[in-house]
Amino acid sequence: GENVEQHPSTLSVQEGDSAVIKCTYSDSASNYFPWYKQELGKRPQLIIDIRSNVGEKKDQRIAVTLNKTAKHFSLHITETQPEDSAVYFCAAYGSSNTGKLIFGQGTTLQVKP
Amino acid sequence: EAGVAQSPRYKIIEKRQSVAFWCNPISGHATLYWYQQILGQGPKLLIQFQNNGVVDDSQLPKDRFSAERLKGVDSTLKIQPAKLEDSAVYLCASSFDSGRETQYFGPGTRLLVL
Repeated sequence: GENVEQHPSTLSVQEGDSAVIKCTYSDSASNYFPWYKQELGKRPQLIIDIRSNVGEKKDQRIAVTLNKTAKHFSLHITETQPEDSAVYFCAAYGSSNTGKLIFGQGTTLQVKP
Repeated sequence: EAGVAQSPRYKIIEKRQSVAFWCNPISGHATLYWYQQILGQGPKLLIQFQNNGVVDDSQLPKDRFSAERLKGVDSTLKIQPAKLEDSAVYLCASSFDSGRETQYFGPGTRLLVL
């Protein structure tokens, strides 16, 4: 079935360093890949997304890259700040057009001041 | 604009009891989703509505879970009877339409089954 694998499960970096989270997906028909940030006890919030006709997208300190051939996509956070500490989820739409999102298992990012 | 609203925020029940959750999506959003998020995992889709019709309920445990969206706006999710493994956060999300649309999440209902 459809599956999204996310690594690493935990990531600890020093403030100012970069953080990279990687995801792979199984459904070659997937063409939309959002990333959500979830702070403790709060709702998931969309931080960036990418569609399959684009290889890279950037928004200030956050960037996402997509490799359709290899079926993987990555989140890059530069100049990390303590407020970036949260759980990050990647997701991919399944092959149907009904909007079913398949989420990764999540990465807990800790930015140490 | 107002976000997705959910209630209650927290619920503690004993196993075999019933519980219901309520969701009010963003105004104008035709698609509504219910997700189950078990601690330490990503959200898992339980059911998706397009207006008041069910689009996908393939992962809904239909022997104990039910959901409705009668007027195509608010939705309720019910569990009867609850099991220990139902302890999770139940997230409601909505999007303007189905397909590759951004989904906006509510704050969730944290359920603990004892």
